[in-house]
Amino acid sequence: QKEVEQNSGPLSVPEGAIASLNCTYSDRGSQSFFWYRQYSGKSPELIMFIYSNGDKEDGRFTAQLNKASQYVSLLIRDSQPSDSATYLCAVSNAGNMLTFGGGTRLMVKP
Amino acid sequence: EPEVTQTPSHQVTQMGQEVILRCVPISNHLYFYWYRQILGQKVEFLVSFYNNEISEKSEIFDDQFSVERPDGSNFTLKIRSTKLEDSAMYFCASSMETGYTDTQYFGPGTRLTVL
Repeated sequence: QKEVEQNSGPLSVPEGAIASLNCTYSDRGSQSFFWYRQYSGKSPELIMFIYSNGDKEDGRFTAQLNKASQYVSLLIRDSQPSDSATYLCAVSNAGNMLTFGGGTRLMVKP
Repeated sequence: EPEVTQTPSHQVTQMGQEVILRCVPISNHLYFYWYRQILGQKVEFLVSFYNNEISEKSEIFDDQFSVERPDGSNFTLKIRSTKLEDSAMYFCASSMETGYTDTQYFGPGTRLTVL
């Protein structure tokens, strides 16, 4: 059974701070890792993806992947109240299906 | 920017009735997916579809479910005899390719309520 685990939160950070979101996965054959943002009642919105070990930066977002530790993280710099949402980690093993974690609820307080 | 669209946004049905959820994937995408999310739970994979056939399906996707691409633009999910536990948000997604570089884009979802 492929599992993707996230702390459900809520993770509360002040405006302007760095938010750090973490995800672990069980399937060592996983090759692709995605972070989606989901506002309440809305669909998942892709933030970024990462395939290789190390860091990948896109604007205020940095994804970090450590395949040896089976660990993915997302850093959000200069957090804004509009970043308040649930962040979903999703994993694929080069097949078709994405396996999602339960999500971490982020609250950015003004 | 191209996007996945879904209709209807909300569908209410009686238990035992058939429902068809419709999706228009991004026009140059070749791979199509259905996911569902029961309120308060994880997003769960149902099925993937490529070249007019199912390429992968989950245990949830039993004989009550079917998918079809009836024309060049639409992609549908049919639930033959709905149950109370089918109440969920159903998301369609599409991607240009598959393999480790695939990126799936989600539609806005259809909220299905089974009474």
